[in-house]
Amino acid sequence: DADVTQTPRNRITKTGKRIMLECSQTKGHDRMYWYRQDPGLGLRLIYYSFDVKDINKGEISDGYSVSRQAQAKFSLSLESAIPNQTALYFCATSDYETSYYNEQFFGPGTRLTVL
Amino acid sequence: DAKTTQPTSMDCAEGRAANLPCNHSTISGNEYVYWYRQIHSQGPQYIIHGLKNNETNEMASLIITEDRKSSTLILPHATLRDTAVYYCIPLGTGTASKLTFGTGTRLQVTL
Repeated sequence: DADVTQTPRNRITKTGKRIMLECSQTKGHDRMYWYRQDPGLGLRLIYYSFDVKDINKGEISDGYSVSRQAQAKFSLSLESAIPNQTALYFCATSDYETSYYNEQFFGPGTRLTVL
Repeated sequence: DAKTTQPTSMDCAEGRAANLPCNHSTISGNEYVYWYRQIHSQGPQYIIHGLKNNETNEMASLIITEDRKSSTLILPHATLRDTAVYYCIPLGTGTASKLTFGTGTRLQVTL
């Protein structure tokens, strides 16, 4: 969905490096989410934010931090990357109405490889 | 949270109806059945959801059994672009933070 963009789309980094993944949206949604997907597995929630001042941990937040710089921007940071954080990362958005019916709009994903 | 059982994979000929089953025998009374799909390495895409009545939208139809223990997603005229992994997710309303995706059904649409 072009309304939700993620940068970079691909990134290769080394163990111990700090990495930031960025998500921007033009849908005007107030709720944003970060997920990771490992090969052959489903998606797991890392962090979510229901507005600029609201940040919540998801199922697997250890080793990650987030920043909600504005309603349209939600960044995910890996302070010190490790190889088992190699995965496909997705950002998603929703608003109150779509959130009530659990409809989220996903970005194209960032493929991160940690060597 | 209700557990689901879906076939690991299914094939469907292009132009034919694709019927994807899901068993959710432990679904609770206030949980809807949601369907998402994920085309290879793209972000998941919402398809449809329902509580107990059959639902239809521009993408698909959802048939839920009367006892709500199972459902079927129907793509009436499958195309090659419908090749994807389809996820069935029982979930209460307003619980977007608990939207989780298991392994789903890999649908392969062939010529």
